[in-house]
Amino acid sequence: NAGVTQTPKFQVLKTGQSMTLQCAQDMNHNSMYWYRQDPGMGLRLIYYSASEGTTDKGEVPNGYNVSRLNKREFSLRLESAAPSQTSVYFCASSEAGGNTDTQYFGPGTRLTVL
Amino acid sequence: GNSVTQMEGPVTLSEEAFLTINCTYTATGYPSLFWYVQYPGEGLQLLLKATKADDKGSNKGFEATYRKETTSFHLEKGSVQVSDSAVYFCALRRGNAGKSTFGDGTTLTVKP
Repeated sequence: NAGVTQTPKFQVLKTGQSMTLQCAQDMNHNSMYWYRQDPGMGLRLIYYSASEGTTDKGEVPNGYNVSRLNKREFSLRLESAAPSQTSVYFCASSEAGGNTDTQYFGPGTRLTVL
Repeated sequence: GNSVTQMEGPVTLSEEAFLTINCTYTATGYPSLFWYVQYPGEGLQLLLKATKADDKGSNKGFEATYRKETTSFHLEKGSVQVSDSAVYFCALRRGNAGKSTFGDGTTLTVKP
């Protein structure tokens, strides 16, 4: 099992450009999440998908959109990138949305917006 | 709302020293508590968890006990190794869709 995979690993954008971060999991998990990690801070939830066909806003959704393409894949789109979106982005999944469920994380995408 | 407060870092220890990283939380009801570890250039991975009061999570020599009376989940290890150098995150899960709240992370460096 590959677990949670993310592409690309690194990306540099200019202000105003758009891009999509891809995430896939092969563990048959129902719930998927997008986080951003900034220096000296914990992870902040951008969007999540409790199950296939549903998505909801997290703590910091502004400037982002998501698509739960199918049970395996959950993409994050930046329509018009801004320097404030420079960060490391992590996708995660869990078996369900239960409080006891462990989250499994991808290796991250390091995004720089100039 | 829910919150997690972790001991500020960075923490630097010599090999075989005793480690404690403090974590306290604020949450309604009965959250589950987690410690995740992040090695350089990698994503987070579960280190241990506890799902109810007085539970002790343990893994790879690390331990943490869910203390509801003090709302704490402190991470301990009796003898750290250089390979334990990483960033450690305390987290809780509670509420809608089991969303997690993370602490800011504590960077541990272990020197030989």
